[in-house]
Order: sequence, then structure tokens, then C-alpha cells
Amino acid sequence: QSALTQPRSVSGSPGQSVTISCTGTSSDVGGYNYVSWYQQHPGKVPKLIIYDVSKRPSGVPDRFSGSKSGNTASLTISGLQAEDEADYYCCSYAGSYTWVFGGGTKLTVL
Amino acid sequence: EVQLVESGGGLVQPGGSLRLSCAASGFTFSSYWMHWVRQAPGKGLVWVSRINSDGSSTTYADSVKGRFTISRDNAKNTLYLQMDSLRAEDTAVYYCASSPNRGGLDYWGQGNLVTVFS
Repeated sequence: QSALTQPRSVSGSPGQSVTISCTGTSSDVGGYNYVSWYQQHPGKVPKLIIYDVSKRPSGVPDRFSGSKSGNTASLTISGLQAEDEADYYCCSYAGSYTWVFGGGTKLTVL
Repeated sequence: EVQLVESGGGLVQPGGSLRLSCAASGFTFSSYWMHWVRQAPGKGLVWVSRINSDGSSTTYADSVKGRFTISRDNAKNTLYLQMDSLRAEDTAVYYCASSPNRGGLDYWGQGNLVTVFS
């Protein structure tokens, strides 16, 4: 149950696009199409923004998109806005009804 | 409106016990899997435990296996986490969260701080 690997921080200017990677193994990210992403603003509750690799819950802007290739999943945020500045966590089903989160990535909007 | 309201956190000494509760409303609680996720101060999210919709199947992270017990009462729309043999490293905000399946955790409680101190 090792944590998925995310970059500690990424940054971008308003209007730009950024991509956050999430690397696991064939036992989690690579083995199932059950990768989800969460946005957490400081002091707030995590919010689901992507599930099942690339699906968006209702109400989540289409600026947020997800994908997966092999053992690495990615979250792309296009048209960056100031309100996107937050921590982002990936999560994957890891088999045997267990889940694993990534260590989190701090997004700074310059 | 979906609501998950947690209670039961607080201060406890190492080796002690605590029970967290999570009261659900606004959705069909008995149809959802439920999870506990924790976040130590200044750290990331860590999955702790999951229970299936009727309570017949439970799973745990290795770090809490044998010490924590997840359970639910569908008649009361409430999820529980019994935490025994608590350690300093269990200090965290504990969130309850729902999921319709093995996918995303779609609704989250407000979080409940558990502090294990000596």
C-alpha cells in the first residue's frame, strides 16, 4: 500500500494549462480504470473532480480532464483560474477492496 | 442535499480508544459503500477503511488493521469507526466519504480531529 507518486508542486499563469501526474504500479493505477482526483482548498473538505479516470461529476467545469497511460494517470487543468489554486490528490483502487492516495500536489496560479 | 455529519473526535492518550460517527442524510445511505480517510496535520490524504453497502464486507489499510473497526447501521443511516490501541501517528482529521462503487469518493463529511497525545 505505497502512496502514488505526484509532483510536490506545479504552477502556471492564468489562462495556461497545467498537468499533474500520478504514478503507481500495475497493481493500482495500471490495473484498474478507477482513478479519481480531488481538489482541496486550505482548511476545506476534499472535493471529487474526476472519477473513473476521465469522468467529471456534474458541476465540475470541463476545464478539468483526466487520462491514463500505463501506470501513470494525469489531471489537466486548462484555462487556469485563480480559484484553481489548491492541493490536488489522485486516488486509485488497488485491488482487494483497498484504495491508495497520492501524496498531493500544490498548484500555484502565478 | 447530501450531508455527512461527523462526531466523536477529541483528545485521547496513547493506547486509548475513540469511536467516530458519521450521520448521513439526503441520499440512500444503504446503497452506498462508505469509507474513512484521514489527513495528518499538514500532510496528505490517506485511505483508512471501507465497508460495503450492507456491512458484510470490510477492508482496512495495513497501518490500522487489527486496531480499527468500521461498521454501519443502515436503520440509523450512520457509519462508525471504532479506534483502539491508538498511537501518536493516528493523530489526524478523519473524514467519512461515500462511493457508489470502486470509483470516486463523491461526498465527504466535514472532518473530525483526533489527537493522540501523551
